[in-house]
Amino acid sequence: QVQLVQSGAEVKKPGASVKVSCKASGYTFTSYDINWVRQATGEGLEWMGWMNPNSGNTGYAQKFQGRVTMTRNTSISTAYMELSSLRSEDTAVYYCTRGRYEQNAYYMDVWGKGTTVTVSS
Amino acid sequence: QSVLTQPPSASGTPGQRVTIPCSGSSSNIGSNTVNWYQQLPGTAPKLLIYSNNQRPSGVPDRFSGSKSGTSASLAISGLQSEDEADYYCAAWDDSLNGYVFGTGTKVTVL
Repeated sequence: QVQLVQSGAEVKKPGASVKVSCKASGYTFTSYDINWVRQATGEGLEWMGWMNPNSGNTGYAQKFQGRVTMTRNTSISTAYMELSSLRSEDTAVYYCTRGRYEQNAYYMDVWGKGTTVTVSS
Repeated sequence: QSVLTQPPSASGTPGQRVTIPCSGSSSNIGSNTVNWYQQLPGTAPKLLIYSNNQRPSGVPDRFSGSKSGTSASLAISGLQSEDEADYYCAAWDDSLNGYVFGTGTKVTVL
């Protein structure tokens, strides 16, 4: 079945970087976008950016420009999200999602289970 | 902060109809399709409605979506206890050149 399997929880110190992976299975990895969405405890959903796994093209939310990098390894159908200069406010669950564009509609139809990133000194 | 506005909470008794509004602007809902996501407690969000009013396979027809101008709404008819969850609207925003989520609405079944 179609699924996105994310890497395990991370604990980082302020100022460090974190790299979260997202392995796709059950579909052709290069045929759909990968988005990253985060959610702090008790808060709403926040979109971070997208990547086209075929071309490697990316688009980042303005808030994260300069701090986030989305990459992929097509040989193992895996996407990565690296966030640098971590601060306590980056403590959240990070989700990867599959993005689809059909008939002028863009939506995220498959979600990973999430990776908890804790930033603490 | 979110550019799509939803009420923080909504509630109803089993069997009732609940409607959740989502207010946006010309750069998001006004010019792009709206999606809705359901997040059950302690789980990842799940696509509930896409392209304003389309239900993915497996989503009960109790859930329906609509859009008019710069607003959208999600309706849950025949409310059930398992519908207790957070619901988020979302759309692409042409001005921000990014995807935006609503503030989220917690639905409680009384």
